[in-house]
Amino acid sequence: GAVVSQHPSRVICKSGTSVKIECRSLDFQATTMFWYRQFPKQSLMLMATSNEGSKATYEQGVEKDKFLINHASLTLSTLTVTSAHPEDSSFYICSALTGGSHTEAFFGQGTRLTVV
Amino acid sequence: GQNIDQPTEMTATEGAIVQINCTYQTSGFNGLFWYQQHAGEAPTFLSYNVLDGLEEKGRFSSFLSRSKGYSYLLLKELQMKDSASYLCAVRDSNYQLIWGAGTKLIIKP
Repeated sequence: GAVVSQHPSRVICKSGTSVKIECRSLDFQATTMFWYRQFPKQSLMLMATSNEGSKATYEQGVEKDKFLINHASLTLSTLTVTSAHPEDSSFYICSALTGGSHTEAFFGQGTRLTVV
Repeated sequence: GQNIDQPTEMTATEGAIVQINCTYQTSGFNGLFWYQQHAGEAPTFLSYNVLDGLEEKGRFSSFLSRSKGYSYLLLKELQMKDSASYLCAVRDSNYQLIWGAGTKLIIKP
């Protein structure tokens, strides 16, 4: 199946700093990528939809200035958590949609962010 | 509003069969997905249904009834490694994925 690589898998940062998370589709072009956040024992929460070459569409309640999304190419989307705070600590997951008539969503490995 | 319902937790015995149900109410329908998620890991794709009926893939099968807004995931010959959360997701008319909260499946020896 299609492969989506997310990096880093774990990151610990100090409060006030910024962290960039990369999501790459390795063997297909993804015009659409999604960024999710997942709290322990809870479902995936969609943060934003990222479309190549255009601005991301953020879900209600998600601060676009805090969670910067860039989808500069058909194989790469990045999420930057700016001025991170301990409450931003979470599991962040990206997924990418394949194209064609039978589109599927494949997930990256996820990034465990801990802000201290 | 849009809603996906699935049981919070289920328990089954190794070697047995278990059926995880999912009902949905969404604005439009463009396919239903089942994912498996082990604790601390990202979900992995299991199945995709867009037409009514049963899709079989080895020990896993997924069924869809669009008229009833209903799907189930059937797991046969359960193994301990099948202990995980199983997520049901529906793609709506805007091609957004709407997620259920997941069903935690506990397998006992």
